[in-house]
Amino acid sequence: DTGVSQDPRHKITKRGQNVTFRCDPISEHNRLYWYRQTLGQGPEFLTYFQNEAQLEKSRLLSDRFSAERPKGSFSTLEIQRTEQGDSAMYLCASSPGSQPQHFGDGTRLSIL
Amino acid sequence: AQTVTQSQPEMSVQEAETVTLSCTYDTSESDYYLFWYKQPPSRQMILVIRQEAYKQQNATENRFSVNFQKAAKSFSLKISDSQLGDAAMYFCAYRGGTSGTYKYIFGTGTRLKVLA
Repeated sequence: DTGVSQDPRHKITKRGQNVTFRCDPISEHNRLYWYRQTLGQGPEFLTYFQNEAQLEKSRLLSDRFSAERPKGSFSTLEIQRTEQGDSAMYLCASSPGSQPQHFGDGTRLSIL
Repeated sequence: AQTVTQSQPEMSVQEAETVTLSCTYDTSESDYYLFWYKQPPSRQMILVIRQEAYKQQNATENRFSVNFQKAAKSFSLKISDSQLGDAAMYFCAYRGGTSGTYKYIFGTGTRLKVLA
């Protein structure tokens, strides 16, 4: 069990640029989640994959956001045309079925 | 919709003493799970303890225990013999129990400071 891995740890970009984050879940965890955490708040659910299928997306996930999980392994979260309000910590979590979720260290996004 | 409320933004405890963190939630579901996660500074969130709603017995994990009051929709975390390493943000989380996404709904967190 090597844990959930996220890359990069920090991303600084200019407003309007596109960014992509990667999450490598614990192997054999079929469920994968993305959350967003802003300063002073708890994480908020963004989207969920079961294997390669994206089964739920939050209303927080505007059309500028897209997530994939090809072959049910790693996942990517892309934000197009970044805005100031996108600045946050993006957390990835995985779980085997209905068991508790294991979280990664997160990717901190800062928009200049 | 389910909600989770943590009304204590910050708590302090003396090393070796006991502290209780509060959490209330609202749901119309009968089957659900509750969790406490710990998030140290710049570190990943770690599961501290979990409680199944159908279990009347309060969960315990070493120095950590919960007081689960289902009727009152209250789920507090007690940390006994507090240690410096317990200093972190603590998040209370709710998850529905029936088949579905099993997504978490988090509270806003309580920052715990442990004083030497």
